[in-house]
Amino acid sequence: DVKVTQSSRYLVKRTGEKVFLECVQDMDHENMFWYRQDPGLGLRLIYFSYDVKMKEKGDIPEGYSVSREKKERFSLILESASTNQTSMYLCASRPGGQGGHEQFFGPGTRLTVL
Amino acid sequence: SQQGEEDPQALSIQEGENATMNCSYKTSINNLQWYRQNSGRGLVHLILIRSNEREKHSGRLRVTLDTSKKSSSLLITASRAADTASYFCATINTNAGKSTFGDGTTLTVKP
Repeated sequence: DVKVTQSSRYLVKRTGEKVFLECVQDMDHENMFWYRQDPGLGLRLIYFSYDVKMKEKGDIPEGYSVSREKKERFSLILESASTNQTSMYLCASRPGGQGGHEQFFGPGTRLTVL
Repeated sequence: SQQGEEDPQALSIQEGENATMNCSYKTSINNLQWYRQNSGRGLVHLILIRSNEREKHSGRLRVTLDTSKKSSSLLITASRAADTASYFCATINTNAGKSTFGDGTTLTVKP
């Protein structure tokens, strides 16, 4: 069974704090993704990575950075959290190739920034 | 407007009825996928249809793809209360490895 885990289900942080969201997958997938999900806006891609130490900007990378030091782990970093980053964050992984495979999602982290 | 838009935004039906959701997209795609999301959870993959396929079945699910109209539909037959969830289509761009998701259709199946 493919498993994608995220470090926290719920997280509350203060404005200006540095926030780390961790994602781990156990199926040796090359591709990993970070999305945020907001009502009325669907899922929006923040960053993705197709290999260790490789990263690509998604549609809304501003205010975020990522790290992929190991194949199984993809971290999303909010350098200085702001209230407009309150959202549901979803991590996903997928095998390599041009996209002919399903994505496997983690359970999500609901982040609240006060 | 966004790539991968679902229609309708919300759908409410009685158990046993069929539910149809539509998805429109704008660019060339390799394939199109449908996902389901239970409230407050991650997405679960339901079915993938490739750009050279027109129809695909999986259990009570039937997906169609019309590349000339850049649209897809998901039909759930004989719906159950447990089908209550949000459903998303995701398109895989021909030139990029990333997916684009729509806003989703929220389906409520009343017992």
